[in-house]
Amino acid sequence: DQQVKQNSPSLSVQEGRISILNCDYTNSMFDYFLWYKKYPAEGPTFLISISSIKDKNEDGRFTVFLNKSAKHLSLHIVPSQPGDSAVYFCAASNAGGTSYGKLTFGQGTILTVHP
Amino acid sequence: KAGVTQTPRYLIKTRGQQVTLSCSPISGHRSVSWYQQTPGQGLQFLFEYFSETQRNKGNFPGRFSGRQFSNSRSEMNVSTLELGDSALYLCASSPEPLTGYGEKLFFGSGTQLSVL
Repeated sequence: DQQVKQNSPSLSVQEGRISILNCDYTNSMFDYFLWYKKYPAEGPTFLISISSIKDKNEDGRFTVFLNKSAKHLSLHIVPSQPGDSAVYFCAASNAGGTSYGKLTFGQGTILTVHP
Repeated sequence: KAGVTQTPRYLIKTRGQQVTLSCSPISGHRSVSWYQQTPGQGLQFLFEYFSETQRNKGNFPGRFSGRQFSNSRSEMNVSTLELGDSALYLCASSPEPLTGYGEKLFFGSGTQLSVL
């Protein structure tokens, strides 16, 4: 059961334009959502997060939007740069119950930014 | 500060063998988590350790086990390897035990395991 889904395996964008990466989830108990970026031969690195009580969080060129009613979040990168080319993973965590310590990840989206 | 170090970087084993992977967290980090990454499946949670205790475990068979030492270093072991165990195994550390409140994980580069 894939509780976090990234339905677009890949996305291609021109440098300077906006990149929008999408993520859907099914578990309404998730409290936090995070985005990680992964370059080849490296481990994922944290990018930005958002609490379930907010609908937007911004950090420089990166903004994450959360739509709880639709169980959907998106990561916007503006403007996109060739160095942003990487695999982006959406992840979710639940602060209660027995799921502490566990992040549930999506399958990832490969972003390619063309110069 | 050195990052999370995982050894070995690459490993080739045959079916039925066992394997041990090692992870050294960032200095001062006391929580270590393990994830399996396979194409199309994203990262799947294996387990989290804190103070030498396993706090949580993912949906993997008992062939997957781990431990943490008093210096916070961690190892994971896979016994009776199967072809489907071929994957990138990622270790991540954090300063304190994870509560689910959006704490950052710091990942190593992983160990690429190939089972032939």
